[in-house]
Amino acid sequence: DIQMTQSPSSLSASVGDTVTITCRASQSVSSHLHWYQHKLGKAPKLLIYAASSLQSGVPSRFSGSGSGTEFTLTISSLQPEDYATYYCQQTYTTPQKTFGQGTKVEIK
Amino acid sequence: QVELVQSGAEVKKPGASVNVSCKASGYIFTGNYIHWVRQAPGQGLEWMGIINPSSGSSSYAQKFKGRVIMTRDTSASTVYMQLSSLRSDDTAVYYCARAEALKGHFDYWGQGTLVTVSS
Repeated sequence: DIQMTQSPSSLSASVGDTVTITCRASQSVSSHLHWYQHKLGKAPKLLIYAASSLQSGVPSRFSGSGSGTEFTLTISSLQPEDYATYYCQQTYTTPQKTFGQGTKVEIK
Repeated sequence: QVELVQSGAEVKKPGASVNVSCKASGYIFTGNYIHWVRQAPGQGLEWMGIINPSSGSSSYAQKFKGRVIMTRDTSASTVYMQLSSLRSDDTAVYYCARAEALKGHFDYWGQGTLVTVSS
């Protein structure tokens, strides 16, 4: 099974900061890597699909990059509504679709 | 508009079974796979399995094999997830999610169903 490892597990940042979260796969997942935002009591929300494509309706301050085994999610100019937990997910393997362990973004 | 609406919260005793439904609307039901994901308290997202609403075929994470069954009713545009032999560590919010056809990302999610297992 492919293991997905995110770093850091949590971070504190201020409004306006740029935040970068890294996701590493234990083997190549090509570009089948996606990012979700999850807030308490709500369903996860797709932010970035296929490593770098912005989901419709998602603010442009969210961006993704990478391919193969190393990927990043960048949030430029962090906003109050961005405080949440972020997950990467690979959909390269069938049928298993593995999530990273999550990165909690907290207010500094 | 695409929508996945799940059944309501459940409280079950250890050893019992739970059946969670996920009703789809706003798209062709048989056109996209549906996945089930859960989140236990204080834990991350955990993939449980997948069902093809067209054929009814399903595959499950090794962890849940033997305890989970995913089915669908095409006439009702609804998928079901049954988890049996419940334990306290099955207490979690269970989500259904639609997979986009090409890259497989989960583009629409149900609102979640809290299943509490307690004696």
